[in-house]
Amino acid sequence: DTGVSQDPRHKITKRGQNVTFRCDPISEHNRLYWYRQTLGQGPEFLTYFQNEAQLEKSRLLSDRFSAERPKGSFSTLEIQRTEQGDSAMYLCASSLDRVVTGELFFGEGSRLTVL
Amino acid sequence: AQSVSQHNHHVILSEAASLELGCNYSYGGTVNLFWYVQYPGQHLQLLLKYFSGDPLVKGIKGFEAEFIKSKFSFNLRKPSVQWSDTAEYFCAVNAALDSNYQLIWGAGTKLIIKP
Repeated sequence: DTGVSQDPRHKITKRGQNVTFRCDPISEHNRLYWYRQTLGQGPEFLTYFQNEAQLEKSRLLSDRFSAERPKGSFSTLEIQRTEQGDSAMYLCASSLDRVVTGELFFGEGSRLTVL
Repeated sequence: AQSVSQHNHHVILSEAASLELGCNYSYGGTVNLFWYVQYPGQHLQLLLKYFSGDPLVKGIKGFEAEFIKSKFSFNLRKPSVQWSDTAEYFCAVNAALDSNYQLIWGAGTKLIIKP
């Protein structure tokens, strides 16, 4: 399968713990996005990379959230000191540099449950 | 702030019925418009898109959408639905003059097709 892959698919953690999610985009895609989706809502933008550069970060994103894409390939999203409100599906998407922004290829998501 | 409204959160239809899902956005400038679909247990995938030109766009699996600029709408249609169309449908808007990196999403419409 050459699509976007995310790991882990499910994570259950206790409040206050740190969690990290990994995303492997489609190999030739330069752009990588992280979104968060809660029940009954559409995806909410978190952050965006072009190659290894993090070009935009949502103003709504707490400083407990950090994302990296060190070599311009895979990316990690870390949440420190998790809170129950962080429970959500975390979606990764990628796209080619030359396509018009918005044509995204999504992974199946990483579901986080904070107890 | 830009927003996207999907009028129906849940729609139940019988097979062969006609479908129309509403989507309205709030932004006065040039927009790119998208419909994404998420089948049960699968990732989000692009159904169709509008950038410019003919306001009636055709997507995969017999879906089409019409961009009506005066109504700020981009409704999704299908003349005859099938059981396999059961999915959640999301409308998304990217304002061409705003951030290049964010899509604004509607809350989604869950479509259930009764066999």
